[in-house]
Amino acid sequence: DAGVIQSPRHEVTEMGQEVTLRCKPISGHDYLFWYRQTMMRGLELLIYFNNNVPIDDSGMPEDRFSAKMPNASFSTLKIQPSEPRDSAVYFCASSLAENEKLFFGSGTQLSVL
Amino acid sequence: QKEVEQNSGPLSVPEGAIASLNCTYSDRGSQSFFWYRQYSGKSPELIMFIYSNGDKEDGRFTAQLNKASQYVSLLIRDSQPSDSATYLCAVSGYSSASKIIFGSGTRLSIRP
Repeated sequence: DAGVIQSPRHEVTEMGQEVTLRCKPISGHDYLFWYRQTMMRGLELLIYFNNNVPIDDSGMPEDRFSAKMPNASFSTLKIQPSEPRDSAVYFCASSLAENEKLFFGSGTQLSVL
Repeated sequence: QKEVEQNSGPLSVPEGAIASLNCTYSDRGSQSFFWYRQYSGKSPELIMFIYSNGDKEDGRFTAQLNKASQYVSLLIRDSQPSDSATYLCAVSGYSSASKIIFGSGTRLSIRP
């Protein structure tokens, strides 16, 4: 299995632009998580899905952020419009079932200028 | 109060010694506890998990859980330079069992 696949690995954009991050979870995993990591705030849970349905999006910082999971093998995290304070590493992770080990993707390093 | 708290470190330990990493959590309803290791520039990877009070050993690693004190720890015996990394404590059971919250991590440095 290729593991959790995220794209792009690096994204540099200008303030106000739309950013879309992509994630392909491990096949057969029922849960998908989006996290954001910064030095100041650590690893923050943004949103997670169970069987493609969003369960908890209370960590999404504001309306500029949205996430979708149209099918079991694909999820997106969109920021529109982007701001410099959104600069961080965004990780996608999946797990087989509830309370199980998380498998992380390689992350997307986002820089908003 | 943060939901999951860790000392940010850095914690410096001589090679061959025991490294002790600690974590406290605020929700008594938490059910599952995880330790992840993250090397600089890499993604977190699971090294231990524990569900019940007491100790759980896996090779050089021992996880300890005390639900009454809301405390979980990780011991690394015979520390090696390759153990130098950030260690993240994660807890699930917040409001819903599948929500996994991370602490900010402890940087561990093993000096030769």
